[in-house]
Amino acid sequence: DADVTQTPRNRITKTGKRIMLECSQTKGHDRMYWYRQDPGLGLRLIYYSFDVKDINKGEISDGYSVSRQAQAKFSLSLESAIPNQTALYFCATRDRYTDTQYFGPGTRLTVL
Amino acid sequence: AQTVTQSQPEMSVQEAETVTLSCTYDTSESDYYLFWYKQPPSRQMILVIRQEAYKQQNATENRFSVNFQKAAKSFSLKISDSQLGDAAMYFCAYRGRGGSQGNLIFGKGTKLSVKP
Repeated sequence: DADVTQTPRNRITKTGKRIMLECSQTKGHDRMYWYRQDPGLGLRLIYYSFDVKDINKGEISDGYSVSRQAQAKFSLSLESAIPNQTALYFCATRDRYTDTQYFGPGTRLTVL
Repeated sequence: AQTVTQSQPEMSVQEAETVTLSCTYDTSESDYYLFWYKQPPSRQMILVIRQEAYKQQNATENRFSVNFQKAAKSFSLKISDSQLGDAAMYFCAYRGRGGSQGNLIFGKGTKLSVKP
């Protein structure tokens, strides 16, 4: 079984809809991240969390919110989706001892 | 702010040959990590290799090795005996140890094609 899972894997929605992307991990890491990937831009940080009570904005947090329901679960929400939020979204965890990040399989979101 | 630059948007290599992907970075920190990630068409981000800046020895993982030049702020990836399965996007990433976020700063990627 995958250590970092994301649901859904693909989603098509309409402008103005509320969308939640979910991430779960079994690696036991306390640090979790949400990144966005756009063609030609690499990955950029949206939000990160060091534990359930510690959530922080990243480089491109506008239009997004997150919830850390438990150490193993970190959700990303788009309150009112817009077309320029069409992208590939990755969740990641970080091993604090090796400082290595492990990524989920990604969610491809299309906003029409 | 730290930046990572991959100057080769696309590269091509013949199967069984060797190819080198370039990466440079800009930072004022002295202690950090550098990574190469591979993203095949399945879009999964797969860790290829990791380098700690305080270690002078270049990291190696099977057919993958790096040339880490700290003074030049250069971190290139060499793939030996290229295989068809190596075809993918390759991302160079930086993580400063002094920062509180712990996130990775990525380059824009290099698309590698492998010709049979």
